[in-house]
Amino acid sequence: DAKTTQPTSMDCAEGRAANLPCNHSTISGNEYVYWYRQIHSQGPQYIIHGLKNNETNEMASLIITEDRKSSTLILPHATLRDTAVYYCIVRVAPQGGKLIFGQGTELSVKP
Amino acid sequence: DAGVIQSPRHEVTEMGQEVTLRCKPISGHNSLFWYRQTMMRGLELLIYFNNNVPIDDSGMPEDRFSAKMPNASFSTLKIQPSEPRDSAVYFCASSLSGSYGYTFGSGTRLTVV
Repeated sequence: DAKTTQPTSMDCAEGRAANLPCNHSTISGNEYVYWYRQIHSQGPQYIIHGLKNNETNEMASLIITEDRKSSTLILPHATLRDTAVYYCIVRVAPQGGKLIFGQGTELSVKP
Repeated sequence: DAGVIQSPRHEVTEMGQEVTLRCKPISGHNSLFWYRQTMMRGLELLIYFNNNVPIDDSGMPEDRFSAKMPNASFSTLKIQPSEPRDSAVYFCASSLSGSYGYTFGSGTRLTVV
């Protein structure tokens, strides 16, 4: 699976959009981009995934560049409860198989 | 749906003792994963099962660690003998083939003194 690079930490003001970047320059054509988050002391939580089209669900939006070498997770109106570590993961299979976590981005939403 | 259930939530044991962590996956899920999380190493995949069969145990640190899944609704991770460096939060997760998300339990915080 392709390696990902994320900033170690980011801050965001409450109510503003949080934009979390992820670089995956070695991504292959059949690899998906997944995002998970881990709120302190809890297990990781699935947020969203995509292959090449932009995706949106009730939690977030995922923007993937045309060359697929990077992506951005957008939390449109961040709240204090969105403070967490966000993991960007690239893997071949859309479902099944193992999920390998990197170091992630620690997002702090501040009032 | 109660989600993935892990027990105990906290475990404190002395070095050399046997420790057994338990996991009940979501009913109907056919894949189960054990992870370990520490500050130094982050989230590490230890082992995963598909249809109760171990598929990849390459993350199991050493022979002191063993995992079983005797049926679709129960799995154990055993450490014998335990050492202080095993102190970590251990997470269990499950998923269903054909679905995209993995559901994690709340974890077991293990402290070996």
